Amino acid sequence: AQKITQTQPGMFVQEKEAVTLDCTYDTSDPSYGLFWYKQPSSGEMIFLIYQGSYDQQNATEGRYSLNFQKARKSANLVISASQLGDSAMYFCAILDRMDSSYKLIFGSGTRLLVRP
Amino acid sequence: DAGVIQSPRHEVTEMGQEVTLRCKPISGHNSLFWYRQTMMRGLELLIYFNNNVPIDDSGMPEDRFSAKMPNASFSTLKIQPSEPRDSAVYFCASSLHQGAYEQYFGPGTRLTVT
Repeated sequence: AQKITQTQPGMFVQEKEAVTLDCTYDTSDPSYGLFWYKQPSSGEMIFLIYQGSYDQQNATEGRYSLNFQKARKSANLVISASQLGDSAMYFCAILDRMDSSYKLIFGSGTRLLVRP
Repeated sequence: DAGVIQSPRHEVTEMGQEVTLRCKPISGHNSLFWYRQTMMRGLELLIYFNNNVPIDDSGMPEDRFSAKMPNASFSTLKIQPSEPRDSAVYFCASSLHQGAYEQYFGPGTRLTVT
């Protein structure tokens, strides 16, 4: 079975500073993918970034980067130069590929609040 | 380009009534996913289709829930009869194929069963 653990229910960060959101995972699948989604107060789920288990380099997308430490089974999201619009829930997820079925398993989320 | 379209955006119904949620995936996407989000259980997959065929329905809570995908551009999630514990936000998502990196989510349907 796979699972995702996000241990920070809530985080604060000062505008323009960087923040790291933690995510650890557990899987027996040698090939897997890790994802981060953002959910603002309006409710929609927005894809941010993807990391494949065999990718040699950490994924980056603009101000988002993924600190992937395979041996530690962690996939932390780093947001640089925080903006007020970054205030939202952030979900880490792993792609479960068991028994020919593909599905995203989500963590419980971290609520980020950016202070002006 | 239109994203995933869901209707209705909000639904309020009385216990025992039938509820039908609708989804139109992004054109050209072959996989469609139905998720439910609640405070207690978080975001969980209910069922997903690949090329209009249900692949994994292990997340469907009970027989009151059913989902169909009659063609590549339309899917429904039906609850009959509805119960107050079904109150949640229901998301539909689509992807190019079932193992694709990115799933694109619709805006969700907020269901309230009184």
